[in-house]
Amino acid sequence: SAVISQKPSRDICQRGTSLTIQCQVDSQVTMMFWYRQQPGQSLTLIATANQGSEATYESGFVIDKFPISRPNLTFSTLTVSNMSPEDSSIYLCSAPTGDDYEQYFGPGTRLTVT
Amino acid sequence: EDQVTQSPEALRLQEGESSSLNCSYTVSGLRGLFWYRQDPGKGPEFLFTLYSAGEEKEKERLKATLTKKESFLHITAPKPEDSATYLCAVQNAGNNRKLIWGLGTSLAVNP
Repeated sequence: SAVISQKPSRDICQRGTSLTIQCQVDSQVTMMFWYRQQPGQSLTLIATANQGSEATYESGFVIDKFPISRPNLTFSTLTVSNMSPEDSSIYLCSAPTGDDYEQYFGPGTRLTVT
Repeated sequence: EDQVTQSPEALRLQEGESSSLNCSYTVSGLRGLFWYRQDPGKGPEFLFTLYSAGEEKEKERLKATLTKKESFLHITAPKPEDSATYLCAVQNAGNNRKLIWGLGTSLAVNP
């Protein structure tokens, strides 16, 4: 298993600003995933972050809007840029550990854009 | 296209009233099927991984089973603390470890 922490846990931001979310894993992992979960909805994958390479973005998500860093095997950041109220959501990071492929999740960052 | 459908969307049970949640899937080669529990305002909590048809796994009052087309999460004699949203996800045989998620079943257990 893995213990994953995220900072901040919540934030209220103004339209047009940017927020960087941090994700820390207690062990080294090759892949990290960033998700968005809108109220009452399931999880939508934003991108996959591999250490030492560019993040791979899913359809509908672009690097200019959601730049990701992955400086080492235990840490990643997701920035939500030029925010609008439509970006209000919970942002989750996860990492698969071991050979069993299960992903462990952080507690999430609740973002509200006004 | 890989797809996961969960039913029912919502389920309300009385304490002690056993039931099952369904997860139907289509995937181009199943690597694994995953069940998660999510409490409001928290990240999903891993419950089970199932790899092949016929496999079963248990944890306390929960038992997950898998066929070639669907999985069931059986909840035996549920308690109010079992109230949560239960999410199902599948991973295909590709090497990217991405999960395809269902929309979840919201379970409420009344005392």
